[in-house]
Amino acid sequence: GAGVSQSPRYKVAKRGQDVALRCDPISGHVSLFWYQQALGQGPEFLTYFQNEAQLDKSGLPSDRFFAERPEGSVSTLKIQRTQQEDSAVYLCASSVSGERDEQFFGPGTRLTVL
Amino acid sequence: LAKTTQPISMDSYEGQEVNITCSHNNIATNDYITWYQQFPSQGPRFIIQGYKTKVTNEVASLFIPADRKSSTLSLPRVSLSDTAVYYCLVARGKALNFGKGTSLLVTP
Repeated sequence: GAGVSQSPRYKVAKRGQDVALRCDPISGHVSLFWYQQALGQGPEFLTYFQNEAQLDKSGLPSDRFFAERPEGSVSTLKIQRTQQEDSAVYLCASSVSGERDEQFFGPGTRLTVL
Repeated sequence: LAKTTQPISMDSYEGQEVNITCSHNNIATNDYITWYQQFPSQGPRFIIQGYKTKVTNEVASLFIPADRKSSTLSLPRVSLSDTAVYYCLVARGKALNFGKGTSLLVTP
């Protein structure tokens, strides 16, 4: 079956531009997560949804970062006025629902801010 | 969140058994120990999860001593395709804290 998909796979933005990154989770998965992975580092948690409710956004680095999942399926991570330090791979993951459930990750979107 | 410490890198030859040990001294009663694997340009992939003693699946074994302050991921007879970064996580709740992981290089 289909896994988690993300688009675009690569995005180049000029500093100051707004970007939108899309995540299509596995069908039926209740939980959805966004992570940021800088070069040479492990993924760092950004935010978490259960259905359409954003239950935890403690990892979002600034108010320029905004995530939504309006219908409890597809999610979008938006970064406004991008800065060079936003350059990273943005990973999306989904899980069935439970706290100990395995998270299934997408391939990520590599964002480069020039 | 419990902090984990694991080696930055390890090298192995094909066909050998590889053991990666992770320390998590301040693990809490409710915490589970989970390992993920990540290949370049891919998202992490779940390998195994355990609470105590030993867990085995088709990919790996996870050994957890009684005090749960450490755990060891065992990969039997590694192949070149096992070259990847391996993350030890102490999971409490849903947000995963990956750390830097162990970069495993398998050579012929």
